[in-house]
Amino acid sequence: ETVLTQSPGTLSLSPGERATLSCRASQSLSSDYLAWFQQKPGQAPRLLIYDASSRAGGIPGRFSGSGSGTDFTLTISRLEPEDFAVYYCHQYDISPFTFGPGTTVDVK
Amino acid sequence: QIHLQVSGPGLVRPSQTLSLTCAFSGDSASINTATWSWIRQSPSRGLEWLGRTYYSSRWNFHYADSVKNRITINPDTSNNQFSLRLRSVTPDDTALYYCAGGAARRLDYWGLGILVTVSS
Repeated sequence: ETVLTQSPGTLSLSPGERATLSCRASQSLSSDYLAWFQQKPGQAPRLLIYDASSRAGGIPGRFSGSGSGTDFTLTISRLEPEDFAVYYCHQYDISPFTFGPGTTVDVK
Repeated sequence: QIHLQVSGPGLVRPSQTLSLTCAFSGDSASINTATWSWIRQSPSRGLEWLGRTYYSSRWNFHYADSVKNRITINPDTSNNQFSLRLRSVTPDDTALYYCAGGAARRLDYWGLGILVTVSS
C-alpha cells in the first residue's frame, strides 16, 4: 500500500504567519489524486484541496496545494485563528487509498 | 451538496459483526455518480480508509488490505443508503466510523462519525 509521510508533526505558528505542510508518498501518484483535509476537535475532516491543487467549494483562497508525483505541499498564506487544527493528506490514486498521520498546526 | 448520516450500535461484542448504515440525501445528479466510502479513526491507527463502492456499468468495490477478508460494503440506492459490515471484530476495531461520499474517488462530504466500541 502507498504510505504517506507528513512533516512536520507539529507546526507552532502565530496568526498571520505562513504555514507550509509537506506530504510525501512512498510511490508516485501518477494522476496526482492527492487531497488535504482539515480536522478540528469533535468534527469530521473537511475537504480543503483535491487533485493536489484544486480548492474545494467554500474554501478560502489562503489555502493552496501544490506538488506532483511523490511530493505535495499545503500552504496557508496567512493563518487565521480558525486555521489552528490538524491537517491530513490523503491519496486516492492507488488502491487501497491511504491517509497520512497528520500535521498539527498550533498557536505559538 | 450531499448530506450523510451514520447509524448503528455503539457497542459490539468481540467476534461479532459490526453493522452500520449511512443514509444520504441531496442533489440527485451527484448521488447517481458518487463514490461511497467508509473511513474510521482511532488514536492507534489515525484515519484509516476502509473501502468504497461506486457504480460504473456495475457496482464496483475496493477494500483496504487490513480488513479485506472481513468487510462488505453494500449500496442500496433505492433507499438512499449504503452499509458497512465488518465481521469477527476485536477491540482493535474500536474507532470512530465515518461515511463519506463524493465525485469520482473523492471524499467531498462526510457524515458525523459514530463511535463503535468493541468490548464484552
